[in-house]
This record gives sequence, C-alpha cells and structure tokens, in this order.
Amino acid sequence: NAGVTQTPKFQVLKTGQSMTLQCAQDMNHEYMSWYRQDPGMGLRLIHYSVGAGITDQGEVPNGYNVSRSTTEDFPLRLLSAAPSQTSVYFCASSQGAGGYTFGSGTRLTVV
Amino acid sequence: AQRVTQPEKLLSVFKGAPVELKCNYSYSGSPELFWYVQYSRQRLQLLLRHISRESIKGFTADLNKGETSFHLKKPFAQEEDSAMYYCALRGSSNTGKLIFGQGTTLQVKP
Repeated sequence: NAGVTQTPKFQVLKTGQSMTLQCAQDMNHEYMSWYRQDPGMGLRLIHYSVGAGITDQGEVPNGYNVSRSTTEDFPLRLLSAAPSQTSVYFCASSQGAGGYTFGSGTRLTVV
Repeated sequence: AQRVTQPEKLLSVFKGAPVELKCNYSYSGSPELFWYVQYSRQRLQLLLRHISRESIKGFTADLNKGETSFHLKKPFAQEEDSAMYYCALRGSSNTGKLIFGQGTTLQVKP
C-alpha cells in the first residue's frame, strides 16, 4: 500500500517554464489537497478537491491549476513559474472524518 | 472564515520538562482539530485528533471551545520529540478543507 505518492521529489525550473507536479493515492480517498510549505508561513492550502471532477481554490491559488479526472490522481500545474513559487509542495488525501495522509513532498526551486 | 494561530515559532525546553504547544482557532461552527508532526525533512504525520481523545507518544490535547484553543501537552519532553508541530482545523461542513497554523518548532535539549 503506497499511500500518497508525489513525483518528482526535486525540481529546478527557470522563470516562465511550466510543469506538473504529480500526486497519486491508492486508498480510494475522496478528499485531496495541495499545500505549499514556506519558512514562517506554515502550510498554506493551494487547491483542494472533494471528489473526481470537483475542485476548489484554497488560500493561495494564483499561478496554479488543478484537475481531478480520477479519484486517484490530483496533479498540480504551474503555468508560468516564478521565483515566488520556490517552495516545498505537499499533496494530501483523506476519507470522511479521518485525518489527512501526506505525500513526501516535492522541493521546487525556480531560478 | 477558518483561521489557526500558533503564537510561538520556537519552543525550547530541556529533556524531562513539561511541554505545551499553543493553538488557537477561529471558526463559527463546530470544528475538527488536529495536531500534525513533521520530523526533520520528513512528511507530515497525524499525531492527534480531538474527536479521538487519545494520547499518542505521551502527548494529549483538549479542545476548549470557550477559549477556542487546542493546546498540545506532554508532561515530560524527550529529545526525540524535537520536530515541527502543526495545528490544523477542518470545518464542520466536512468539505475536506484543512487549514494549518504557522507551526511551532519544538527543540528538546539534553
């Protein structure tokens, strides 16, 4: 049982490039979320989904897109990377009233 | 709106001392409160949920609706407790939306 799998683990982008951070869970969880973790800011919610085909914005959605075509996958797209998007990104999933299970994170640097 | 505040960025104690990590929240309904722990460069792990009223690794947390607080406590800190601790809130509408506080780094000195 892999839980929540994020790829890649590390990525360096140039300003203006686009990329997709992948997130997959094998627990048949309804809820999935993307967070970014920055020093002194804690974890901030970027986008979340309550089920396949349903997504909504979190606290800091600008510059990011998501889609949820299947229950298992919840990719995060950076449309045009900026240095302010340098961060550690975590994907998480949950079912019902349970706590969230987190992925191991993607460390992204935008130069 | 949901809001979680952890007023201390860093809490430093000696081994064997009591620990209290503060968490205050703002939410108009009945929230679900959680504590998550992140050891150095690892993924976040669920530590406690208020609805479970359990003790994990010697930690406990009680939801105080009057003071809108969910402080994390441990009577005797251990060096292996050194980590980042996050308080988190999910609203009663059960959208799955989980909001975190800024986090508190707990440093337990030998």
